[in-house]
Amino acid sequence: DAKTTQPTSMDCAEGRAANLPCNHSTISGNEYVYWYRQIHSQGPQYIIHGLKNNETNEMASLIITEDRKSSTLILPHATLRDTAVYYCIVRVPSGTYKYIFGTGTRLKVLA
Amino acid sequence: GAGVSQTPSNKVTEKGKYVELRCDPISGHTALYWYRQSLGQGPEFLIYFQGTGAADDSGLPNDRFFAVRPEGSVSTLKIQRTERGDSAVYLCASTRGGQRTDTQYFGPGTRLTVL
Repeated sequence: DAKTTQPTSMDCAEGRAANLPCNHSTISGNEYVYWYRQIHSQGPQYIIHGLKNNETNEMASLIITEDRKSSTLILPHATLRDTAVYYCIVRVPSGTYKYIFGTGTRLKVLA
Repeated sequence: GAGVSQTPSNKVTEKGKYVELRCDPISGHTALYWYRQSLGQGPEFLIYFQGTGAADDSGLPNDRFFAVRPEGSVSTLKIQRTERGDSAVYLCASTRGGQRTDTQYFGPGTRLTVL
């Protein structure tokens, strides 16, 4: 199962874009990349997912490199409420489709 | 509609006791997952149900852990002879059908503390 690597922590100024990188160099061709975030004492919250193409929704944008070995989650205008642990997850592509979580990036948005 | 709910939100027990943790998935979701999250770590997969059957229980750490989903909806995670190392947040997630592109929706978790 593919593993992901993320920086342990990042800071971002309020109102600025937060760019969270993720390395998944062992990803296979049919494995999706998912991003979730976890605010203290809550369950993980879905943000976005993608396979090959860049994706955008009301929460964020996901940029996946052409070789699919890495991706970046972009929060375009970070707010204090975006302070959380962000997980980049590669999903097992068959059978259970379970998630393999890493340790995530702790993002702190600064006023 | 309502999201995934888990009860209790907190459970404190003594070493050696038996505990049950409950998960109510989103209505109509046929696939259900249990994960365990230790302090400072990401969630780790425990078991997966498709309908009433446990399709994959490879993440259960040992035979003290067991889970059921008798009617294909509510699931109960059961831990016998609890140990201090079982202390963690136990998360439940559900999806529509366990398909490749189905998104997992998580509950708030149950924080288990074994004294």
